[in-house]
Amino acid sequence: AQSVTQLGSHVSVSEGALVLLRCNYSSSVPPYLFWYVQYPNQGLQLLLKYTSAATLVKGINGFEAEFKKSETSFHLTKPSAHMSDAAEYFCAVSGGSNYKLTFGKGTLLTVNP
Amino acid sequence: DTAVSQTPKYLVTQMGNDKSIKCEQNLGHDTMYWYKQDSKKFLKIMFSYNNKELIINETVPNRFSPKSPDKAHLNLHINSLELGDSAVYFCASSSVTSGGWADTQYFGPGTRLTVL
Repeated sequence: AQSVTQLGSHVSVSEGALVLLRCNYSSSVPPYLFWYVQYPNQGLQLLLKYTSAATLVKGINGFEAEFKKSETSFHLTKPSAHMSDAAEYFCAVSGGSNYKLTFGKGTLLTVNP
Repeated sequence: DTAVSQTPKYLVTQMGNDKSIKCEQNLGHDTMYWYKQDSKKFLKIMFSYNNKELIINETVPNRFSPKSPDKAHLNLHINSLELGDSAVYFCASSSVTSGGWADTQYFGPGTRLTVL
């Protein structure tokens, strides 16, 4: 069975500051890992995914995440926050023959001017 | 050319009524899902179909019944609606590896259900 823990239900940063959203996972097999973003009143949109290739994964809108097996982490970063980054972010893990993604509880990112 | 579409986008109804939500995907995926997102944004998987076969059926009241007429469609019917059913319901689709691992899920825009 797999699980995801997102540390911090709410992260607030200033425009131009570093964004760091934390995700730790648990999986009995090498996982696929995902970050999704949800803007208000919209569905979830894929930001990036890790599928056992390069450990540093680049996604859309300047986001990237690094897979660290020793720390069972997949933290999401962006060097400089923009007002348009304000949204809910979800980390998810797929692993094992259960046909599903397991999602974290989400982290709300607010960006202050 | 919407990848995953849902209808309706908003649904307002009285307690006790029966309603349906429809979902269609044009991505050629074999697997489709229904999720419920509550007011705290928590995503709970409800059902999944793979090639029209029900493969995930989480702890959901049997008032909820999914139906997959073909691989591109997955509908959700809800009987005897209750106040606690108010939420946003998302449909999603994905490809799945031969070993049953879900790959990227593509989500629809959601259906906001309000039960009065």
